[in-house]
Amino acid sequence: QQQVKQSPQSLIVQKGGISIINCAYENTAFDYFPWYQQFPGKGPALLIAIRPDVSEKKEGRFTISFNKSAKQFSLHIMDSQPGDSATYFCAASIESGAQKLVFGQGTRLTINP
Amino acid sequence: DVKVTQSSRYLVKRTGEKVFLECVQDMDHENMFWYRQDPGLGLRLIYFSYDVKMKEKGDIPEGYSVSREKKERFSLILESASTNQTSMYLCASATGGSTGELFFGEGSRLTVL
Repeated sequence: QQQVKQSPQSLIVQKGGISIINCAYENTAFDYFPWYQQFPGKGPALLIAIRPDVSEKKEGRFTISFNKSAKQFSLHIMDSQPGDSATYFCAASIESGAQKLVFGQGTRLTINP
Repeated sequence: DVKVTQSSRYLVKRTGEKVFLECVQDMDHENMFWYRQDPGLGLRLIYFSYDVKMKEKGDIPEGYSVSREKKERFSLILESASTNQTSMYLCASATGGSTGELFFGEGSRLTVL
């Protein structure tokens, strides 16, 4: 069973627009929620991460919004650029779980110029 | 910069062959991981290791084994490859501890005919 569900599977956004990717999780023991970005031919790389003691974390144009009661979190990319075109994975883990991340299904994001 | 090197980027094997996927990291990380990436399924953890000669099953260990004889090297072994093991395999490493960044290699694309 998929413990972390990610949507949409693919997303096309115009340059300058806001890209939004959503994830929902089932295991209430999860307490670490990273997002990874993967460019074609490369391995995923950490983009931004949040812990459930805050509802939002912002790094530059990238923001994670976290809703603990709904067991949902999302990635917002403001002023999306063609260089943001990549596959994005949300993930979750238990802090005591030795970095055993459970990943979502991935979202292929395309930013049209 | 952390470097995780997967020696084979592309492999083509026949059903029943024994397959070795090698991964080397140069940052003295305690933890190493093997993930499998499939479209629509995201990344799924096969095995991980938190120390030399130590290993633990992930979510999909069936049909795979691993070896970690040296801290910097983590090998994934398919004892008898099957067509359903055709996939992208990603190795990652991380410092010891419960959370923190995973550093991924560029992947090994395996095709089993």
